[in-house]
Amino acid sequence: DAKTTQPPSMDCAEGRAANLPCNHSTISGNEYVYWYRQIHSQGPQYIIHGLKNNETNEMASLIITEDRKSSTLILPHATLRDTAVYYCIVRETGANNLFFGTGTRLTVIP
Amino acid sequence: DAGVIQSPRHEVTEMGQEVTLRCKPISGHNSLFWYRQTMMRGLELLIYFNNNVPIDDSGMPEDRFSAKMPNASFSTLKIQPSEPRDSAVYFCASSLGRPRTPLHFGNGTRLTVT
Repeated sequence: DAKTTQPPSMDCAEGRAANLPCNHSTISGNEYVYWYRQIHSQGPQYIIHGLKNNETNEMASLIITEDRKSSTLILPHATLRDTAVYYCIVRETGANNLFFGTGTRLTVIP
Repeated sequence: DAGVIQSPRHEVTEMGQEVTLRCKPISGHNSLFWYRQTMMRGLELLIYFNNNVPIDDSGMPEDRFSAKMPNASFSTLKIQPSEPRDSAVYFCASSLGRPRTPLHFGNGTRLTVT
């Protein structure tokens, strides 16, 4: 029972912003949105998370719609090293574990 | 911070043999997770521990799989006997165990059972 829906793949030109969408229409009030990525042959890497406000850190920005039914992860200036599978995950406030979906394969093109 | 350390990075074994995968979590982290990744099923949570105690093992596929955490700095995932369908990449992750703290993953063990 997938809680999130993401496009299977996207391309982005190097140096441009990469905008990765995620639908989570059944999200409940106590669930956070998390983003992880997995670069080939490595373990998943935490990027960012948020509840309802937009968030920004050194890696990315997270924009959550007012109704919280969707969000967008923004990599402001994509580089070739950002080529990876990006996972959007909905996680309960008190939950300690994470359940991964199929993610979006982002390819940054030179 | 050395990160989560897994060993071995690669393991090739014959069907029927016992396989033991090892994980050293980040120091100070009190939650530990074992995941399995295959092309067909993606990333699956197998089991996780809080303070060395197994909390949820509902993802463990069958009795051939067992996981232990004898102390805060070490965990093992054992498969006995191994089968070809167990071939996958096995990831270990750790976290501080508090709400909303992120999981930190190791680089995995690629297991091939022939």
